[in-house]
Amino acid sequence: DAKTTQPPSMDCAEGRAANLPCNHSTISGNEYVYWYRQIHSQGPQYIIHGLKNNETNEMASLIITEDRKSSTLILPHATLRDTAVYYCIVRTPNTGNQFYFGTGTSLTVIP
Amino acid sequence: GAVVSQHPSRVICKSGTSVKIECRSLDFQATTMFWYRQFPKQSLMLMATSNEGSKATYEQGVEKDKFLINHASLTLSTLTVTSAHPEDSSFYICSATVTAAVYPQHFGDGTRLSIL
Repeated sequence: DAKTTQPPSMDCAEGRAANLPCNHSTISGNEYVYWYRQIHSQGPQYIIHGLKNNETNEMASLIITEDRKSSTLILPHATLRDTAVYYCIVRTPNTGNQFYFGTGTSLTVIP
Repeated sequence: GAVVSQHPSRVICKSGTSVKIECRSLDFQATTMFWYRQFPKQSLMLMATSNEGSKATYEQGVEKDKFLINHASLTLSTLTVTSAHPEDSSFYICSATVTAAVYPQHFGDGTRLSIL
C-alpha cells in the first residue's frame, strides 16, 4: 500500500487559508488521493479526492503535484469548526479499495 | 451527501456478553462495507472488508471468530463482538461504498463500546 506522511499538528488563524501537506511518494498511477477529517468522537467526514488534476468543491481545494508524490489540502477561509484531525489517504483499487489511515494532521484553528 | 447510519452509538455491557453493531447505508446500495476500530488518541485501524453476499476479509491480526461480520444486503452490515472482554472496549466505525476507486467511503458516526 502507498504510505502517506503528514505533519502531526498545525495551527491556523481563523479566516486565513489552511494548507495541509501530504507526502505519498510511492503512489501508483491508478491510486487516488482522498482527504477526510475527523472531529472528536465522530466518524470521518469526506472532504475531497483526486487522481491527477487539481480539484475544488464547496469545502476545499486539492492540489496534486505533477509527479503525484505529494498533495496539499487547502481550506480557503478556516473557521473554528474546521478544528479536526485531517487524514490524507491513498486508495488502492487493485486490492479492494481499502483505506489505511495514517496518523493525520491535527489542525487547530485559533480565534 | 451519502448517509451511513450506525447503531447503537454507545453500549456498555458486562464481560462475556456478545454485542451486535449495525451499519446501514440509507440512500445508496453499498457493495462494500468496512469496519474499523479506533483506540483513544490513535488513528483508525481497518479490521475487515465486507462485500455483499460474500465472506468478510479480515486484516492480519484480527480474529474472525471474535469479530463476526455479516453483510446480507446492499444496505446492511453487522459486526458482532463475541464474548466481549474489557480489552475489546474501543470506538468501532463502519463505512460504506461502491466498488470503484473513484467513489468515496462514507462513514457512520461510530459506536463507543465499553466492556465492564
